[in-house]
Amino acid sequence: DTEVTQTPKHLVMGMTNKKSLKCEQHMGHRAMYWYKQKAKKPPELMFVYSYEKLSINESVPSRFSPECPNSSLLNLHLHALQPEDSALYLCASSQADRGSNQPQHFGDGTRLSIL
Amino acid sequence: DAKTTQPTSMDCAEGRAANLPCNHSTISGNEYVYWYRQIHSQGPQYIIHGLKNNETNEMASLIITEDRKSSTLILPHATLRDTAVYYCIVREYGGATNKLIFGTGTLLAVQP
Repeated sequence: DTEVTQTPKHLVMGMTNKKSLKCEQHMGHRAMYWYKQKAKKPPELMFVYSYEKLSINESVPSRFSPECPNSSLLNLHLHALQPEDSALYLCASSQADRGSNQPQHFGDGTRLSIL
Repeated sequence: DAKTTQPTSMDCAEGRAANLPCNHSTISGNEYVYWYRQIHSQGPQYIIHGLKNNETNEMASLIITEDRKSSTLILPHATLRDTAVYYCIVREYGGATNKLIFGTGTLLAVQP
């Protein structure tokens, strides 16, 4: 069991659909992350939120829209995705103190398939 | 780009120690070395991290060379459940968050 919960575990959507991925943690962490992982590849960072504010966007296309409504929740809104966006989407959280060396904790991801 | 180099794959017999090497020759003085693993269909799991000194926890030991240019993760008694991809990551320092850049990792296969 992980302390970072992601829903849904699996999602199949068409290219014209709008859907959202959700992530929740109750460890008091103030930094939250979205990663994308293609098959047989390492995770790649997409977004970082620190104290509910977007601090890093790794040049992610605008069809991916992150949102951090409060310190425990992180959403990823999806719209007009392409088949190449099919991947495992991972959420992580960590302490956000400047200079902290504490690790990130990951959820088990949402496996997304675009038809 | 990732700042670490790891072997693509390794085998280990069940019950034996698994020693996973990692090279990070360009590491800076204030950068930590982190190890994660990813079992199939799960998210990455944190194992251990260190700066200069050797570290040990309930899962593994981390040995960092004196010049900090390489490290070794040791699983003392490998089991079949330790079969996973192991990632060695040098954490980029700066800002209020720790940005992790994953390399390709080592696929450890524990054999019965």
